[in-house]
Amino acid sequence: KAGVTQTPRYLIKTRGQQVTLSCSPISGHRSVSWYQQTPGQGLQFLFEYFSETQRNKGNFPGRFSGRQFSNSRSEMNVSTLELGDSALYLCASSPLVGLGANNKNEKLFFGSGTQLSVL
Amino acid sequence: AQSVSQHNHHVILSEAASLELGCNYSYGGTVNLFWYVQYPGQHLQLLLKYFSGDPLVKGIKGFEAEFIKSKFSFNLRKPSVQWSDTAEYFCAVNALYGNNRLAFGKGNQVVVIP
Repeated sequence: KAGVTQTPRYLIKTRGQQVTLSCSPISGHRSVSWYQQTPGQGLQFLFEYFSETQRNKGNFPGRFSGRQFSNSRSEMNVSTLELGDSALYLCASSPLVGLGANNKNEKLFFGSGTQLSVL
Repeated sequence: AQSVSQHNHHVILSEAASLELGCNYSYGGTVNLFWYVQYPGQHLQLLLKYFSGDPLVKGIKGFEAEFIKSKFSFNLRKPSVQWSDTAEYFCAVNALYGNNRLAFGKGNQVVVIP
């Protein structure tokens, strides 16, 4: 099975621009989560999508948005880029929403990320 | 809100030394606990997880972690590290019956000197 695929791998933008990142989950996985990774803050949850619906949202401003398509692929958009948005953006997929006690085998499968640099 | 604390962000040790990484979380309810590892140039991958049952969990590559509910801790251990264990290690917490929203610690950068 192919893993989680994120494109592009690297991206350079300037302040004020907008950017769209793409994530293709593992085949059969319907949940896609997005995380921002920075050296200072570590990994921070952005949002989670399941069946084209946003199920959970982290504490990020409205400039960060996302969507999920019927084939479970997801995109993340950041508008009006700021220098502080420079980070590695990670996408993770899993078969189900939730990691409840009955889902002992469930875990997140991460992609390699998109490294965004804002100049 | 859940929060996760990892101490000693940078750890340097020699091969064959023992490793213990601390993880403490703040959440009053029942949680699922994870350790993820990120090897240089690779994506994050699951090392081990605790959902319920035996609080001593065995993971891949000889790692284990112990859940101590009274201390809100989930420390990671390996008795004898190898150079290939050089990586960044992240502890993560998720509320039971919650969602795929993991709260991660800031990570421990571990360097093993051959």
